[in-house]
Amino acid sequence: DSGVTQTPKHLITATGQRVTLRCSPRSGDLSVYWYQQSLDQGLQFLIQYYNGEERAKGNILERFSAQQFPDLHSELNLSSLELGDSALYFCASSVVPATSGRAFGTGELFFGEGSRLTVL
Amino acid sequence: DAKTTQPPSMDCAEGRAANLPCNHSTISGNEYVYWYRQIHSQGPQYIIHGLKNNETNEMASLIITEDRKSSTLILPHATLRDTAVYYCIVKYSGNTPLVFGKGTRLSVIA
Repeated sequence: DSGVTQTPKHLITATGQRVTLRCSPRSGDLSVYWYQQSLDQGLQFLIQYYNGEERAKGNILERFSAQQFPDLHSELNLSSLELGDSALYFCASSVVPATSGRAFGTGELFFGEGSRLTVL
Repeated sequence: DAKTTQPPSMDCAEGRAANLPCNHSTISGNEYVYWYRQIHSQGPQYIIHGLKNNETNEMASLIITEDRKSSTLILPHATLRDTAVYYCIVKYSGNTPLVFGKGTRLSVIA
C-alpha cells in the first residue's frame, strides 16, 4: 500500500460526458502528479501540482483540467470524453522534507492503484 | 531529462538473479538513475535510485558504471512475483515528474 488513494477505481461513461477523478496523496506529501496509461501510449505524464499550484505540465489535453485543494487532495476533470480517453489514470505524490526550506525531495514518487476509465 | 535505452523484454529463471541493463549515455552530472516497476496494470512501484555509487536495498541492487553512462538493476533471487515491466528513468532529484519510456518486460519463469 503506497498510501496514495484514488477514487473511483472503475468508471464507465459515454462519449461527450464529464468525469472527475480524485486523489488523496500520502500524508505530508505536497506534490501530486497525474499520469495517463493507455494501451498504445504507455505511461504519459499529464500535470503536477505542488502545494496547490501548478508546477509542471505534460501531455494534458485542453479538455482535461486538474486542481489541488488546500487539504492537498487533487482532482482531475475530464470533459467531452472521447473513446480514446479510455485509459488507466494514475495519481502519484512525492515527499518534501519539512526542514528543507524549499520544494526539494528525494525524487521518489508513490503511485496509487489507478482509476480505470472506460468511455463507450 | 536524459533518455534511456532498455531491452524490450527479458526472461529469468525463478531463483536466479535478474540483471536488467539500462543505457543513459547523455546523463548529466546532477541527474539520478531511478528504477520503477509496474506489475500488470498496478501503480508503478519505486525500487531504487542512485547518483554515482552502487546502491542496495531490500528489493534490489543498482550498479552504476564509473562513467555513469549505463547501469544495471539486479534482483538477486527473482520470484514469479517479480514479473513486471521495469523502467529505468534518469532525472534530477526533487519534485519533478518521472518521464517513462517503454521499459523492459521481465518474465520470471518457473
